[in-house]
Amino acid sequence: DTGVSQDPRHKITKRGQNVTFRCDPISEHNRLYWYRQTLGQGPEFLTYFQNEAQLEKSRLLSDRFSAERPKGSFSTLEIQRTEQGDSAMYLCASSSNTGQGVYEQFFGPGTRLTVL
Amino acid sequence: SQKIEQNSEALNIQEGKTATLTCNYTNYSPAYLQWYRQDPGRGPVFLLLIRENEKEKRKERLKVTFDTTLKQSLFHITASQPADSATYLCALDDGRSGTYKYIFGTGTRLKVLA
Repeated sequence: DTGVSQDPRHKITKRGQNVTFRCDPISEHNRLYWYRQTLGQGPEFLTYFQNEAQLEKSRLLSDRFSAERPKGSFSTLEIQRTEQGDSAMYLCASSSNTGQGVYEQFFGPGTRLTVL
Repeated sequence: SQKIEQNSEALNIQEGKTATLTCNYTNYSPAYLQWYRQDPGRGPVFLLLIRENEKEKRKERLKVTFDTTLKQSLFHITASQPADSATYLCALDDGRSGTYKYIFGTGTRLKVLA
């Protein structure tokens, strides 16, 4: 396992279309995070899972956004009825909980979304 | 309101000098703070984690300090090299028990001049 992977790397869509992104975390990691990052800003928390349970969602995440992590493995992030303001880099990260404390997040390369 | 502030302007230093980046936070009580490096078009890469009961942490040419009274972390790169040029992000937990949500600063862009 070489790390966190995301697919696609780039997505161009027209306003109003739905898009879905996939994230494959490091296999033994039980926590998975989604972030959004715009130019000149740090990653902005969207949601995270522990195994298959979605434990927290940002208040910034409108009802057009939904994320799933079936079976606690890969995750998908869907954006419905995309808007130009959704254009950003969508980052996925995973981390493990060994019970010994907090561990760092391993990030994927991101999916760059452009909404025309 | 809660916020995390990092030097918004780019930091330019000469090769071989020590770079010092700051991370200040307001209205958080984090249990730990992390530093990440991000290169253009790539995801952040973890560098160091420091806990609230630790004053200083070192890893090779990197040093992090954490002052919970000042609500500040300093990140130092000694003997800097052009390859250290990147954006550096600090991240902290929001202090709530049982949550693993991380909040990132806006990052500081470092450029090391040869």
